[in-house]
Amino acid sequence: DTGVSQNPRHKITKRGQNVTFRCDPISEHNRLYWYRQTLGQGPEFLTYFQNEAQLEKSRLLSDRFSAERPKGSFSTLEIQRTEQGDSAMYLCASRMNKADTQYFGPGTRLTVL
Amino acid sequence: GQQLNQSPQSMFIQEGEDVSMNCTSSSIFNTWLWYKQDPGEGPVLLIALYKAGELTSNGRLTAQFGITRKDSFLNISASIPSDVGIYFCAGHLNLNTGTASKLTFGTGTRLQVTL
Repeated sequence: DTGVSQNPRHKITKRGQNVTFRCDPISEHNRLYWYRQTLGQGPEFLTYFQNEAQLEKSRLLSDRFSAERPKGSFSTLEIQRTEQGDSAMYLCASRMNKADTQYFGPGTRLTVL
Repeated sequence: GQQLNQSPQSMFIQEGEDVSMNCTSSSIFNTWLWYKQDPGEGPVLLIALYKAGELTSNGRLTAQFGITRKDSFLNISASIPSDVGIYFCAGHLNLNTGTASKLTFGTGTRLQVTL
């Protein structure tokens, strides 16, 4: 399978704990996006990488959130001191440089108790 | 954050019926995408539209890029049970300025198909 993969698929954590999610984009895609989706809503943009550079962050991305893409391939999204409001599906998408279509991974569903 | 207006919000139809849904925006886009999402999964791309007025088909699916660049429509013909899911429109504005060109999603249309 050469699509976008995300791990873990599900994460349950207690409030105040840190969590980290991983995204592996389609191999030839140099652009990578993180989105968050809450129940009954469409995905909302969080942040964007072109290769290893993080070029844009949404105001939804509070100081407790950090994302990295150290070698321009996989990316990680870390949430520190999780809050119940962080419970959501976290989606990763990738695209090629000159194409507009983004391909999504299966998502990581986070539940903060 | 901004979400596009998508209607209807949900619909129940019988197998074999045709389905229409639409998406409107207060701002223009230069790409419209339609995705389908099953429970617990990520969105799967159905159709991509790149030019105002464009009409594109993918099997039983047909989508149109509105001439004003502020809307798009998706039609599903002869629906089948596996069409059940949530359909999202997404707009993309590529300014070629090095910005994210992020997708702005609609609120979704939940489709349920009865036998």
